[in-house]
Amino acid sequence: EAGVTQFPSHSVIEKGQTVTLRCDPISGHDNLYWYRRVMGKEIKFLLHFVKESKQDESGMPNNRFLAERTGGTYSTLKVQPAELEDSGVYFCASSQVLVGPTDTQYFGPGTRLTVL
Amino acid sequence: AQRVTQPEKLLSVFKGAPVELKCNYSYSGSPELFWYVQYSRQRLQLLLRHISRESIKGFTADLNKGETSFHLKKPFAQEEDSAMYYCALRRGYNKLIFGAGTRLAVHP
Repeated sequence: EAGVTQFPSHSVIEKGQTVTLRCDPISGHDNLYWYRRVMGKEIKFLLHFVKESKQDESGMPNNRFLAERTGGTYSTLKVQPAELEDSGVYFCASSQVLVGPTDTQYFGPGTRLTVL
Repeated sequence: AQRVTQPEKLLSVFKGAPVELKCNYSYSGSPELFWYVQYSRQRLQLLLRHISRESIKGFTADLNKGETSFHLKKPFAQEEDSAMYYCALRRGYNKLIFGAGTRLAVHP
């Protein structure tokens, strides 16, 4: 089966511009997560969708970040306006089961965002 | 606060040597702990989880609640084990809390 896909793989923008990242989860996975790793730091949770609803958005750094998952399929993460500290790798993950010992989060390859 | 600590940024060993990647956590409830691995040019993938108590690719990890540790071990390292390893804690509705990661370099 196809894994989690993310687009673009790389994005280089200038401070103040807008960037939209896209994530396509594994088909049939209701849970979709966004994480990011900024340079030298650990991978940090941003938010969690269950279908089209935001289950947990406690990790979103500020209101410059907007995530959507219309129709409960793919998700977008928009950064507007981008700041230098937003540079990093943005990961998307999906899983099928909400809670349970067999649940596994499958990660996408990530989008490397560079803000100049 | 929930936290995962991986004290070593880099662990360098020779092929055939034993490996132990350290992971300590702080968590007020009953933790679910995982090891994820990222090989060069590949995506992050689950290596093993404590609840399964299984060995994957020769790696094992035992949850020690007294020491709040979940160290990853392998008796004989192979060159193909070279990768970034992340320890992670799950809380709430599947949110993962990651450590900073340890790069394992296995030399011939």
